[in-house]
Amino acid sequence: ETGVTQTPRHLVMGMTNKKSLKCEQHLGHNAMYWYKQSAKKPLELMFVYNFKEQTENNSVPSRFSPECPNSSHLFLHLHTLQPEDSALYLCASSQDISGTDTQYFGPGTRLTVL
Amino acid sequence: AQSVAQPEDQVNVAEGNPLTVKCTYSVSGNPYLFWYVQYPNRGLQFLLKYITGDNLVKGSYGFEAEFNKSQTSFHLKKPSALVSDSALYFCAVRDRGSTLGRLYFGRGTQLTVWP
Repeated sequence: ETGVTQTPRHLVMGMTNKKSLKCEQHLGHNAMYWYKQSAKKPLELMFVYNFKEQTENNSVPSRFSPECPNSSHLFLHLHTLQPEDSALYLCASSQDISGTDTQYFGPGTRLTVL
Repeated sequence: AQSVAQPEDQVNVAEGNPLTVKCTYSVSGNPYLFWYVQYPNRGLQFLLKYITGDNLVKGSYGFEAEFNKSQTSFHLKKPSALVSDSALYFCAVRDRGSTLGRLYFGRGTQLTVWP
């Protein structure tokens, strides 16, 4: 899993905190993604960036704010979260967003909101 | 609308026996199909994908999957299961005509291989 790294691996925060998740890909890809994984539910796509430009925001609440400074780094800024936001947040990357490209995933950040 | 169904939440098999993890899909056009595996406290790892050509696709760790267009299925198979295959398996689909590259995932199937 050295291709896509995520930090921190675990995060506990209160509802009034501000924190950020970081993702870095070492694969030379141009597209990056944020997913939310909750128990017993399909993975939920949150955001897509292609060549640093956001191409999709899947109706995500504004308390989640993505940032993509370059094609290798992706951040997810968190503020005033709710307990139901507790989940595993997965970052992925692919060469671009074309249909045949494989997405490669990081290990995820396990977020707990108290 | 695009969707993926994994009808079994749990599959249990004995080591050495063949295993099948089922997946059916619904897309408006022709699909690209993927299988991923997730081990505890890890991200998703790519196993294999169907793009075009031979309906039988071979992937990592001895897994294979067969694309069946008439049944809209893409079942994952392995001839002889290992205890180390125990993990959560996800099927995913993308519409060939999509310009956004969005993958639609199933809910996952927990595979347990007993020694």
